[in-house]
Amino acid sequence: DQQVKQNSPSLSVQEGRISILNCDYTNSMFDYFLWYKKYPAEGPTFLISISSIKDKNEDGRFTVFLNKSAKHLSLHIVPSQPGDSAVYFCAASAHGNQFYFGTGTSLTVIP
Amino acid sequence: NAGVTQTPKFQVLKTGQSMTLQCAQDMNHNSMYWYRQDPGMGLRLIYYSASEGTTDKGEVPNGYNVSRLNKREFSLRLESAAPSQTSVYFCASSAVAGGPRDTQYFGPGTRLTVL
Repeated sequence: DQQVKQNSPSLSVQEGRISILNCDYTNSMFDYFLWYKKYPAEGPTFLISISSIKDKNEDGRFTVFLNKSAKHLSLHIVPSQPGDSAVYFCAASAHGNQFYFGTGTSLTVIP
Repeated sequence: NAGVTQTPKFQVLKTGQSMTLQCAQDMNHNSMYWYRQDPGMGLRLIYYSASEGTTDKGEVPNGYNVSRLNKREFSLRLESAAPSQTSVYFCASSAVAGGPRDTQYFGPGTRLTVL
């Protein structure tokens, strides 16, 4: 049973606009969350993380929001750039145990 | 710094053949991982090694064995390959397993096809 879900397989956004990628989880014990970005034929690369003690973490154009009551995580990219076109995975872990990954959302930023 | 390297990049096996996927990291990380990525399934953990000398099962360990050869190297072995093991395999490493320091750095992947 998938504990981390990314219900949108794909998303297209115009360059300069905001991209919002969503992630839902079922395990209330998850306390640490990551976003990874993956280009074709490459391994995932770490993008941004958030601990459950926070509800927001920002790094440049990337902001992750955590809504614990809704068990929902989102990644905002502002402004979106063509180089952001990639597959984005969210991942979650509970108390230092293994990470569970979502199925990924393919983002296309249209110039 | 090469980061995490994996060999081979591509492999085709026949059902029943065996092979070992190699992984090495040069970041002096303690923890190493093997994942598989299948369409519609995301990344799933096969085995991990929290530190040199230890290995543990992940979410999908059946049909695989691992060896943490030393701090740098972590290999994944398929003793008798099956078509269900057709996948892209990623190795990763992190400074510490679990929690805020467990930022995992991934290799480029091995694309394995079992006929």
